[in-house]
Amino acid sequence: EVHLVESGGGLVQPGGPLRLSCEASGFTFSTSWMTWVRQAPGKGLEWVANIKQDGSEKYYVDSAKDRFTISRDNAKNALYLEMSGLRADDTAVYYCAKGAAPRGYYSYYIDVWGRGTTVTVS
Amino acid sequence: SYGLTQSPSVSVSPGQTASITCSGDKLTYKYVSWCQQKPGQSPLLVIYEDNKRPSGIPERFSGSNSGNTATLTITGTQVMDEADYYCQAWDRNTVVFGGGTKLTVL
Repeated sequence: EVHLVESGGGLVQPGGPLRLSCEASGFTFSTSWMTWVRQAPGKGLEWVANIKQDGSEKYYVDSAKDRFTISRDNAKNALYLEMSGLRADDTAVYYCAKGAAPRGYYSYYIDVWGRGTTVTVS
Repeated sequence: SYGLTQSPSVSVSPGQTASITCSGDKLTYKYVSWCQQKPGQSPLLVIYEDNKRPSGIPERFSGSNSGNTATLTITGTQVMDEADYYCQAWDRNTVVFGGGTKLTVL
């Protein structure tokens, strides 16, 4: 069974750093795009970042560029999100998600979601 | 940047058909997926690539995409289908979500 388990969330002061981790199991991690998505309290889903299978391509939402870094360790089946310069509007549940891109760059969807880890900036 | 627009809410009676729409410029040229999120839970994929159902998703969920509008249809809606639904597309290597539609079944 496919599992994604996030960790590393917590309470952090404005301007501070935080590192989120995601442990993956039940699928071939090294062949999957991975994604971070967040959801502010009472709000909708917001894509944060994507990383290609080998880590050679990374993409970010504009608000995360220059502050967040997505990375992965395929040997450990782990995905990370390093966050710095955190702001109050970064407060959200952060989901680790497995992407599927069966048609190369023409299609991408999220087929598995973790349970999320909560980040509170205050 | 590319945007997807959803109506904030849709109401339907049990057993009736619910239609949830997602609008975007020339959306028919993109593949659309839909996820369901119940309160306190993580999202769950219910439709991908416009009209495909993942394993385990009931047949009452279907999807279509034409012109500027993609539609998630739930035929014979059940009370358990009450949830938030989000459409999602892929545009220039970025994941785009719609704002979400709250489906109320009453």
